[in-house]
Amino acid sequence: QSALTQPASVSGSPGQSITISCTGTSDDIGSHNLVSWYQQHPGKAPKLIIHDVIERPSGVSNRFSGSKSGNTASLTISGLQADDEADYYCSSYTSSSTFLVFGGGTKLTVL
Amino acid sequence: EVQLVESGGGLVQPGGSLRLSCAASGFNFNNYVMTWVRQAPGKGLECVSSISGSSDNTLYADSVKGRFTISRDNSKNTLYLQMNSLRVEDTAVYYCAKDLRGVTPDAFDIWGQGTMVTVSS
Repeated sequence: QSALTQPASVSGSPGQSITISCTGTSDDIGSHNLVSWYQQHPGKAPKLIIHDVIERPSGVSNRFSGSKSGNTASLTISGLQADDEADYYCSSYTSSSTFLVFGGGTKLTVL
Repeated sequence: EVQLVESGGGLVQPGGSLRLSCAASGFNFNNYVMTWVRQAPGKGLECVSSISGSSDNTLYADSVKGRFTISRDNSKNTLYLQMNSLRVEDTAVYYCAKDLRGVTPDAFDIWGQGTMVTVSS
Protein backbone atom coordinates (compact mmCIF):
# COMPACT_ATOMS: atom_id res chain seq x y z
CA GLN A 1 0.00 0.00 0.00
CA SER A 2 1.50 3.30 -1.13
CA ALA A 3 1.72 6.27 1.21
CA LEU A 4 0.09 8.61 -1.33
CA THR A 5 -3.19 7.69 -3.00
CA GLN A 6 -3.69 8.08 -6.75
CA PRO A 7 -6.45 6.76 -9.00
CA ALA A 8 -5.35 3.59 -10.76
CA SER A 9 -6.33 4.89 -14.17
CA VAL A 10 -7.67 7.89 -16.03
CA SER A 11 -8.45 8.39 -19.68
CA GLY A 12 -9.18 11.17 -22.12
CA SER A 13 -9.42 11.92 -25.81
CA PRO A 14 -6.83 13.85 -27.78
CA GLY A 15 -7.16 17.58 -27.16
CA GLN A 16 -9.02 17.16 -23.88
CA SER A 17 -7.72 17.91 -20.39
CA ILE A 18 -7.41 15.46 -17.53
CA THR A 19 -6.51 15.80 -13.86
CA ILE A 20 -4.80 13.23 -11.67
CA SER A 21 -5.16 13.57 -7.92
CA CYS A 22 -2.66 12.56 -5.25
CA THR A 23 -3.89 12.43 -1.67
CA GLY A 24 -1.59 12.34 1.32
CA THR A 25 -1.65 13.51 4.92
CA SER A 26 -0.65 16.46 7.07
CA ASP A 27 2.80 14.81 7.42
CA ASP A 28 3.58 15.06 3.73
CA ILE A 29 1.56 16.96 1.13
CA GLY A 30 -0.30 18.96 3.74
CA SER A 31 2.79 20.47 5.35
CA HIS A 32 5.43 20.57 2.61
CA ASN A 33 5.51 22.24 -0.80
CA LEU A 34 7.83 19.50 -2.03
CA VAL A 35 5.46 17.61 -4.30
CA SER A 36 6.77 16.23 -7.57
CA TRP A 37 5.24 14.43 -10.52
CA TYR A 38 6.90 11.92 -12.84
CA GLN A 39 5.94 10.52 -16.22
CA GLN A 40 7.03 6.97 -17.05
CA HIS A 41 6.64 5.32 -20.42
CA PRO A 42 6.81 1.48 -20.55
CA GLY A 43 10.32 0.17 -20.13
CA LYS A 44 11.75 3.64 -19.52
CA ALA A 45 13.02 5.51 -16.51
CA PRO A 46 10.71 8.06 -14.88
CA LYS A 47 10.94 11.69 -16.04
CA LEU A 48 10.43 14.65 -13.73
CA ILE A 49 7.65 16.88 -15.07
CA ILE A 50 6.64 18.94 -12.00
CA HIS A 51 8.52 19.83 -8.81
CA ASP A 52 7.78 22.08 -5.84
CA VAL A 53 4.04 21.59 -6.52
CA ILE A 54 3.86 23.90 -9.54
CA GLU A 55 7.31 24.24 -11.14
CA ARG A 56 8.14 22.75 -14.54
CA PRO A 57 11.72 21.74 -15.33
CA SER A 58 13.24 23.24 -18.43
CA GLY A 59 12.00 21.47 -21.56
CA VAL A 60 8.74 20.19 -20.09
CA SER A 61 5.66 21.26 -22.00
CA ASN A 62 3.45 23.93 -20.45
CA ARG A 63 0.53 21.56 -21.06
CA PHE A 64 1.55 20.02 -17.73
CA SER A 65 0.61 21.94 -14.58
CA GLY A 66 0.50 21.19 -10.89
CA SER A 67 -1.48 22.44 -7.90
CA LYS A 68 -2.18 21.64 -4.27
CA SER A 69 -5.02 22.10 -1.82
CA GLY A 70 -4.73 20.82 1.72
CA ASN A 71 -3.51 17.24 1.68
CA THR A 72 -4.18 16.72 -2.03
CA ALA A 73 -1.98 17.57 -4.98
CA SER A 74 -3.10 17.47 -8.60
CA LEU A 75 -1.53 17.16 -12.02
CA THR A 76 -3.42 18.57 -14.98
CA ILE A 77 -2.54 17.73 -18.57
CA SER A 78 -4.20 19.92 -21.17
CA GLY A 79 -4.43 19.33 -24.91
CA LEU A 80 -3.91 15.58 -24.53
CA GLN A 81 -1.61 13.99 -27.07
CA ALA A 82 -1.00 10.34 -27.90
CA ASP A 83 2.50 10.49 -26.41
CA ASP A 84 1.05 11.51 -23.05
CA GLU A 85 -0.12 7.92 -22.62
CA ALA A 86 2.06 6.72 -19.75
CA ASP A 87 2.13 6.05 -16.02
CA TYR A 88 2.23 9.09 -13.73
CA TYR A 89 3.57 9.10 -10.19
CA CYS A 90 3.37 11.77 -7.52
CA SER A 91 5.84 12.05 -4.66
CA SER A 92 6.19 14.18 -1.56
CA TYR A 93 8.74 14.88 1.11
CA THR A 94 7.46 13.63 4.46
CA SER A 95 8.10 14.41 8.11
CA SER A 96 7.60 10.76 9.02
CA SER A 97 10.34 8.16 9.20
CA THR A 98 10.06 7.41 5.48
CA PHE A 99 11.97 10.19 3.85
CA LEU A 100 10.14 10.41 0.54
CA VAL A 101 6.87 8.81 -0.40
CA PHE A 102 5.43 7.98 -3.79
CA GLY A 103 1.91 7.43 -4.96
CA GLY A 104 0.91 4.10 -6.41
CA GLY A 105 0.83 5.48 -9.94
CA THR A 106 -1.90 6.35 -12.43
CA LYS A 107 -2.12 4.87 -15.90
CA LEU A 108 -3.23 7.48 -18.42
CA THR A 109 -4.90 6.17 -21.54
CA VAL A 110 -5.39 8.48 -24.51
CA LEU A 111 -8.45 7.19 -26.31
CA GLU B 1 25.76 15.42 -21.31
CA VAL B 2 24.33 14.76 -17.86
CA GLN B 3 24.17 11.00 -17.42
CA LEU B 4 23.79 8.23 -14.86
CA VAL B 5 24.71 4.65 -15.75
CA GLU B 6 23.92 1.80 -13.36
CA SER B 7 25.58 -1.60 -13.30
CA GLY B 8 25.87 -4.64 -11.06
CA GLY B 9 22.41 -6.15 -11.25
CA GLY B 10 21.76 -9.81 -11.83
CA LEU B 11 20.31 -13.04 -10.47
CA VAL B 12 21.09 -13.92 -6.86
CA GLN B 13 19.75 -16.48 -4.43
CA PRO B 14 17.82 -15.46 -1.31
CA GLY B 15 20.26 -14.50 1.42
CA GLY B 16 22.89 -13.48 -1.12
CA SER B 17 24.57 -10.16 -1.80
CA LEU B 18 25.00 -7.75 -4.69
CA ARG B 19 26.72 -4.39 -5.11
CA LEU B 20 25.19 -1.89 -7.48
CA SER B 21 27.17 0.99 -8.97
CA CYS B 22 26.04 4.19 -10.64
CA ALA B 23 28.54 6.20 -12.69
CA ALA B 24 27.70 9.89 -12.98
CA SER B 25 28.90 12.38 -15.57
CA GLY B 26 28.14 15.88 -16.79
CA PHE B 27 27.50 17.58 -13.43
CA ASN B 28 29.25 18.35 -10.12
CA PHE B 29 28.50 15.00 -8.52
CA ASN B 30 29.61 15.97 -5.01
CA ASN B 31 27.11 18.84 -4.85
CA TYR B 32 23.98 16.71 -4.98
CA VAL B 33 21.99 14.25 -2.93
CA MET B 34 21.84 10.90 -4.71
CA THR B 35 19.13 8.29 -4.25
CA TRP B 36 18.40 4.69 -5.19
CA VAL B 37 14.78 4.12 -6.25
CA ARG B 38 13.42 0.69 -7.09
CA GLN B 39 10.45 -0.61 -9.01
CA ALA B 40 9.24 -4.18 -8.62
CA PRO B 41 7.83 -5.78 -11.78
CA GLY B 42 4.48 -4.21 -12.59
CA LYS B 43 4.57 -2.10 -9.43
CA GLY B 44 5.18 1.49 -8.42
CA LEU B 45 8.26 3.41 -7.33
CA GLU B 46 9.90 3.08 -3.91
CA CYS B 47 12.73 5.14 -2.47
CA VAL B 48 15.34 2.78 -1.09
CA SER B 49 18.17 4.97 0.16
CA SER B 50 19.65 8.46 -0.15
CA ILE B 51 23.03 9.98 0.62
CA SER B 52 24.12 13.59 0.94
CA GLY B 53 26.87 15.05 -1.19
CA SER B 54 29.47 14.78 1.55
CA SER B 55 28.22 11.36 2.74
CA ASP B 56 27.49 12.73 6.21
CA ASN B 57 23.79 11.94 6.00
CA THR B 58 22.20 8.70 4.82
CA LEU B 59 18.57 7.61 4.78
CA TYR B 60 17.04 4.18 4.32
CA ALA B 61 13.56 2.82 3.77
CA ASP B 62 12.38 0.65 6.65
CA SER B 63 12.20 -2.31 4.26
CA VAL B 64 15.98 -2.32 3.68
CA LYS B 65 17.35 -0.84 6.90
CA GLY B 66 20.13 -3.00 8.31
CA ARG B 67 20.55 -4.94 5.06
CA PHE B 68 21.50 -2.28 2.47
CA THR B 69 24.31 0.27 2.67
CA ILE B 70 24.57 3.33 0.44
CA SER B 71 27.91 5.01 -0.22
CA ARG B 72 29.58 7.26 -2.74
CA ASP B 73 33.08 7.99 -4.01
CA ASN B 74 33.15 11.61 -5.13
CA SER B 75 36.64 11.19 -6.59
CA LYS B 76 35.20 8.60 -8.98
CA ASN B 77 31.77 10.25 -9.44
CA THR B 78 30.20 6.95 -8.45
CA LEU B 79 27.30 5.95 -6.21
CA TYR B 80 27.03 2.49 -4.68
CA LEU B 81 24.42 0.29 -3.04
CA GLN B 82 25.64 -2.75 -1.14
CA MET B 83 22.74 -5.17 -0.77
CA ASN B 84 23.06 -8.03 1.74
CA SER B 85 20.61 -10.66 2.99
CA LEU B 86 18.58 -10.27 -0.17
CA ARG B 87 14.96 -11.36 -0.17
CA VAL B 88 12.61 -12.37 -2.97
CA GLU B 89 10.73 -9.12 -2.38
CA ASP B 90 13.85 -7.12 -3.24
CA THR B 91 13.40 -8.18 -6.87
CA ALA B 92 13.09 -4.96 -8.87
CA VAL B 93 14.67 -2.57 -11.32
CA TYR B 94 16.98 -0.33 -9.34
CA TYR B 95 17.43 3.23 -10.56
CA CYS B 96 19.92 5.77 -9.32
CA ALA B 97 18.63 9.31 -9.37
CA LYS B 98 20.12 12.76 -8.92
CA ASP B 99 18.25 15.22 -6.74
CA LEU B 100 17.33 18.61 -8.09
CA ARG B 101 19.06 20.21 -5.12
CA GLY B 102 21.74 19.32 -2.63
CA VAL B 103 19.81 19.39 0.63
CA THR B 104 17.21 16.66 1.02
CA PRO B 105 15.84 14.08 -1.41
CA ASP B 106 12.68 15.62 -2.80
CA ALA B 107 12.76 15.78 -6.61
CA PHE B 108 14.81 13.64 -8.98
CA ASP B 109 15.68 15.41 -12.23
CA ILE B 110 18.12 12.87 -13.69
CA TRP B 111 17.62 9.09 -13.70
CA GLY B 112 19.74 6.21 -14.89
CA GLN B 113 18.42 3.53 -17.19
CA GLY B 114 18.03 1.07 -14.32
CA THR B 115 19.58 -2.29 -13.49
CA MET B 116 17.52 -5.41 -12.80
CA VAL B 117 17.99 -7.35 -9.58
CA THR B 118 16.32 -10.75 -9.40
CA VAL B 119 16.31 -12.67 -6.13
CA SER B 120 15.25 -16.25 -6.71
CA SER B 121 16.30 -19.78 -5.89
